[in-house]
Amino acid sequence: DAKTTQPPSMDCAEGRAANLPCNHSTISGNEYVYWYRQIHSQGPQYIIHGLKNNETNEMASLIITEDRKSSTLILPHATLRDTAVYYCIVRVSNSGNTPLVFGKGTRLSVIA
Amino acid sequence: SAVISQKPSRDICQRGTSLTIQCQVDSQVTMMFWYRQQPGQSLTLIATANQGSEATYESGFVIDKFPISRPNLTFSTLTVSNMSPEDSSIYLCSAGYGYTFGSGTRLTVV
Repeated sequence: DAKTTQPPSMDCAEGRAANLPCNHSTISGNEYVYWYRQIHSQGPQYIIHGLKNNETNEMASLIITEDRKSSTLILPHATLRDTAVYYCIVRVSNSGNTPLVFGKGTRLSVIA
Repeated sequence: SAVISQKPSRDICQRGTSLTIQCQVDSQVTMMFWYRQQPGQSLTLIATANQGSEATYESGFVIDKFPISRPNLTFSTLTVSNMSPEDSSIYLCSAGYGYTFGSGTRLTVV
């Protein structure tokens, strides 16, 4: 079962920051937080992941609370192409040898 | 990150028949994962395929229905056997450190 809780849907105005929350209150010390998104009818796309520290890449920023029980994915300037289902996933290994367990995700709609 | 080629991208099949889905990875990977995504739903893990051993199936999925082959470190197949309309879904494979996904196979059973 998924170990995360996300709101089922969110709207965001184009050009504004999209902040997607995720609760993972039972996360263990060696578990990473991963974010993926799935644009309609495509395979999931990796966005970002982190263990303790905040992370940033060309797509997004990941803010993890100090107690690691929740995190926020930030898309700094949302565009219509960011409309997708976003999945927050907690998993132990960073090695590629254990599967991702998907929850229901958040459906983000970016509105012009 | 690994690049995965998955085929076919879509198919329409008659009930009672079988379809084999192929995934080719551009680098060697230890594990490959197969998922099902039913209409409007999230992804559900079917099985984990390790080269040289039998696949490990999740609860609710059995080898007779979803046989998997993993002949080498870059290739795997999933067969959907004796199909019924309830098998209509998107099937996806995943592999690699970056957890790359194939583009998916949209299966419709009629």
